[in-house]
Amino acid sequence: DAKTTQPNSMESNEEEPVHLPCNHSTISGTDYIHWYRQLPSQGPEYVIHGLTSNVNNRMASLAIAEDRKSSTLILHRATLRDAAVYYCIRRNAGGTSYGKLTFGQGTILTVHP
Amino acid sequence: NAGVTQTPKFRVLKTGQSMTLLCAQDMNHEYMYWYRQDPGMGLRLIHYSVGEGTTAKGEVPDGYNVSRLKKQNFLLGLESAAPSQTSVYFCASSARTPGAFFGPGTRLTVL
Repeated sequence: DAKTTQPNSMESNEEEPVHLPCNHSTISGTDYIHWYRQLPSQGPEYVIHGLTSNVNNRMASLAIAEDRKSSTLILHRATLRDAAVYYCIRRNAGGTSYGKLTFGQGTILTVHP
Repeated sequence: NAGVTQTPKFRVLKTGQSMTLLCAQDMNHEYMYWYRQDPGMGLRLIHYSVGEGTTAKGEVPDGYNVSRLKKQNFLLGLESAAPSQTSVYFCASSARTPGAFFGPGTRLTVL
């Protein structure tokens, strides 16, 4: 199945940039890379997604390696509200499992004041 | 525009009872998903649907059934609840490639 590897936890200080890594070495050409985050006691929230090119939105940036085997979610200035579990997901966009959206364990991000 | 709604928000069942969880979305999304999340754990996919009238198994489908008779609704059924099904259940919907939107969750306790 679509698997990704993320560090269990990371820490950051407020107002500093955060780089959250993700490995997806077996990604196929039709898989999108999605990032979600889950704040305590809430449902997951979509952050950003991409296929090959780097992507930016109001929440974060996504840097995708040229070989697509890894990606990095970048929070440019962490705030206390960014403390959450961050999930990196390969989303099948083709084949027999198209549309399937499977979560891993994610990275627990702690932000210190 | 309500997004994704889930009914009920809380439920307590006795072992062996049955129930249906309802997920509704008003964004005309093709894809819908049911997940469970146990305390301190990540989300596990139960079943999903890529269109009206279609369903597929996820990672942990045993003990659950689903139906997608209308595009906007995705129902999750427990025919004979077990304590191991105590969990928080999340529903989500999405279009083909953009991100998924999640509901607020249903907290289910099976005694």
